[in-house]
This record gives sequence, C-alpha cells and structure tokens, in this order.
Amino acid sequence: EVQLVESGGGLVQPGRSLKLSCLASGFTFSNYGMNWIRQAPGKGLEWVASISSSSSYIYYADTVKGRFTISRDNAKNTLYLQMTSLRSEDTALYYCARQRLGARGPFDYWGQGVMVTVSS
Amino acid sequence: AIVLNQSPSSIVASQGEKVTITCRASSSISSNYLHWYQQKPGAFPKLVIYSTSYRASGIPSRFSGSGSGTSYSFTISRVEAEDVATYYCQQGSSNPPTFGSGTKLEIK
Repeated sequence: EVQLVESGGGLVQPGRSLKLSCLASGFTFSNYGMNWIRQAPGKGLEWVASISSSSSYIYYADTVKGRFTISRDNAKNTLYLQMTSLRSEDTALYYCARQRLGARGPFDYWGQGVMVTVSS
Repeated sequence: AIVLNQSPSSIVASQGEKVTITCRASSSISSNYLHWYQQKPGAFPKLVIYSTSYRASGIPSRFSGSGSGTSYSFTISRVEAEDVATYYCQQGSSNPPTFGSGTKLEIK
C-alpha cells in the first residue's frame, strides 16, 4: 500500500525557517517524481515544487522561488521541503504527492498533509 | 502560467442526478495532461480522472471526463451522497502545473 506521511509542520514566526519531510513507503520511491502542493485554509490547491526521480530536474512556483528548496534522499525514501524567509501567505496545509506517468502526469497519491502556520 | 477556469463554483444536486463540471484553459493543453481530483471534506485530494478520460484505480464508472484543446468536462452520471466533495481540474501540460479553483458539490 502506497503511503506518504508528512511531518515537520508547526507554528513559526515570519522570516523564520522550517523543514518539512515526507516519508514514502509501499512503492519504489526512487522511480517517481515527487511534489509539494499546498492549500491555504479554506482555499484551493497550489502547486509549490517538484523534483524528478534522480533530482536532476527541480521546479518551483514563482511564489516560493528563492525561498524554498525541495530535495530528496532516495536511500531514506524521504522527500523534503526547506522553507526559509517564511511569510504569512505561506500559511497552509502542505501535501506531498507522487507523480506518475512522467513530469507532466497526475498526482496519483497524496499524503494527509502537514500544517504550517506563519504568525507572530 | 496556464489559468484554468472551472465552473460552476458550486452545485447542489439531488441523488441520481447527472452533474457536469467544466474546466476551460487559458491556452490549449494536451489532453494527456488534464486531470481531475476529488477532495472530500477534511480529507486530502484523490485522483479521479487522469489524461482527460481515464478513471484512476478504484473509481466507479459513474465518473467520466472528456474534452480537448482548451475545453474539458467532468461528469458524474448519477450523483450519490458519498460524492459530496470539491472537485478540481489540473493541467500538467506546461510548467507550472496549475489547478482550477474548484467546484463544490452538495446534495439536496
């Protein structure tokens, strides 16, 4: 059974940093591109960042470029999102999601999400 | 970035009724990269339809999708109570991937 379990969220002050993790199981993690997608309270879905299976290709939304870094450790089956210079508008539920059928394929499995609240 | 205009923003339907959601893209996209998700209240999103018209694993046949170019649609042939959710379209045709604003389905 495919499982994605996010962790590392919490309350953080504006300008501070936070690192999210997503532990994957039930599939060969190193074969899949992975993504972070967020959802502000009561709002829709916003793609944040993606990383290819071997970390060769990395992309970011303009809203986080230069502040967030996506990475992965295939030996540990773990996806990461390092978030710096956090702003109130980064407050959201952050999901990690597996991507099938290549870089433009659908997000076929999602984690349960981890909440990040940026507030003083 | 490609903008996806989803309509309507909300639907109230009776059980057994047919429901259709439309997703219009600001630029033409490949039908291979248009997908639909279901997000039930308090839950994470779930893939329902991928590549315009293919049902994801375990998805009932009452869910279907169609379209091409800039116009796509998602249909539930006979709505059931368990279909209460917000539905999102998403394109992966060009970076960045974008989502529609969602359609909230409620049952009368």
